[in-house]
Amino acid sequence: NAGVTQTPKFQVLKTGQSMTLQCAQDMNHEYMSWYRQDPGMGLRLIHYSVGAGITDQGEVPNGYNVSRSTTEDFPLRLLSAAPSQTSVYFCASSFPGLGYYEQYFGPGTRLTVT
Amino acid sequence: QQQVKQSPQSLIVQKGGISIINCAYENTAFDYFPWYQQFPGKGPALLIAIRPDVSEKKEGRFTISFNKSAKQFSLHIMDSQPGDSATYFCAASEGGGADGLTFGKGTHLIIQP
Repeated sequence: NAGVTQTPKFQVLKTGQSMTLQCAQDMNHEYMSWYRQDPGMGLRLIHYSVGAGITDQGEVPNGYNVSRSTTEDFPLRLLSAAPSQTSVYFCASSFPGLGYYEQYFGPGTRLTVT
Repeated sequence: QQQVKQSPQSLIVQKGGISIINCAYENTAFDYFPWYQQFPGKGPALLIAIRPDVSEKKEGRFTISFNKSAKQFSLHIMDSQPGDSATYFCAASEGGGADGLTFGKGTHLIIQP
């Protein structure tokens, strides 16, 4: 199993450009989520999905869109990039094992918005 | 309002010593408390986790101590090794993690040989 994969690994955007960060998992996990990590801030939840066709907002959803058409994929869209969205983005997937959701993180996408 | 407060921000421990990282939370509905380890350029990896129905959980050299009344939990790394040098995050969640994790700001741990 490849686990959780993210593409691209690095990306530079200009303010106002749009792009999609890709996330895929091959573990048949129902639950997937997106976090951003900023220096000194820990990780903050952007959006999450408990299954195909179901998404919900996390702590910092503004400026980001998501959809979940398949169990495997959970893309994150930036419609009009802003410098404040410069960050490292992590996708995670999880399953309800032993009464709680163990989350497995991907390797991250480092995004710079100029 | 920061729901999970983590301290210290950075920590230096001698090889063989005990590393202790503390977290405090405010939301009494939290029912799942994991710790993550992150190496530079990598994603966080689950290290150990605890539910509030137990006060301590041990896995190898890593132990979580949990104090429900004080709303605090801590990570102890026994016999710390240079390979343990990393950033550690505590986190908490309602619904056993189903609603996503709220993270602390992280502790940068350095184990000196």
